[in-house]
Amino acid sequence: DAGVTQSPTHLIKTRGQHVTLRCSPISGHKSVSWYQQVLGQGPQFIFQYYEKEERGRGNFPDRFSARQFPNYSSELNVNALLLGDSALYLCASSSFWDRGQETQYFGPGTRLLVL
Amino acid sequence: EDQVTQSPEALRLQEGESSSLNCSYTVSGLRGLFWYRQDPGKGPEFLFTLYSAGEEKEKERLKATLTKKESFLHITAPKPEDSATYLCAVQAIQGAQKLVFGQGTRLTINP
Repeated sequence: DAGVTQSPTHLIKTRGQHVTLRCSPISGHKSVSWYQQVLGQGPQFIFQYYEKEERGRGNFPDRFSARQFPNYSSELNVNALLLGDSALYLCASSSFWDRGQETQYFGPGTRLLVL
Repeated sequence: EDQVTQSPEALRLQEGESSSLNCSYTVSGLRGLFWYRQDPGKGPEFLFTLYSAGEEKEKERLKATLTKKESFLHITAPKPEDSATYLCAVQAIQGAQKLVFGQGTRLTINP
């Protein structure tokens, strides 16, 4: 079975530009979450979507936005890129909202470098 | 605020030398505690979910345990391929199903 897929794998942008990252969840999973991982640290929660609705937002500026599509895939958008946005962006999917189904499975990530 | 602290930050062992990694947490109400393994430049790989104090789970050379304040990941007779960063995360009962991660323990197993 295919796991979580993310595209692109690597991306180089300059300050002030905009970026769109994409994620396809595991088949049958309806929830997608986004995390930012800076080198040497644990992932930090950005957004969670379930059934195409935003269910949670982390402590990130409004430059970060996301959406989930009818096929449960998701996009993360970052505007006005800063050097500090350089990180590994991780997408995770989970199946249901109920207890016992909340384990999040991560994709390989998108490595973003802002110059 | 939910918080996770992992120790040590880095651990170097000889092949076959057993040890434990610690994950201390504070959370308003625990929905689940998760252990992941992460290789350099890759996404975290799911290992275990623990739900309540006293629970234990095993997988090959790894065993995870949970108390009301901390979790341990015990590694028995490790091999070089067990070298990775091990991440601990908690999920609270209330609100979004976000994971709050610790900074990880970087484990190196020397042959």
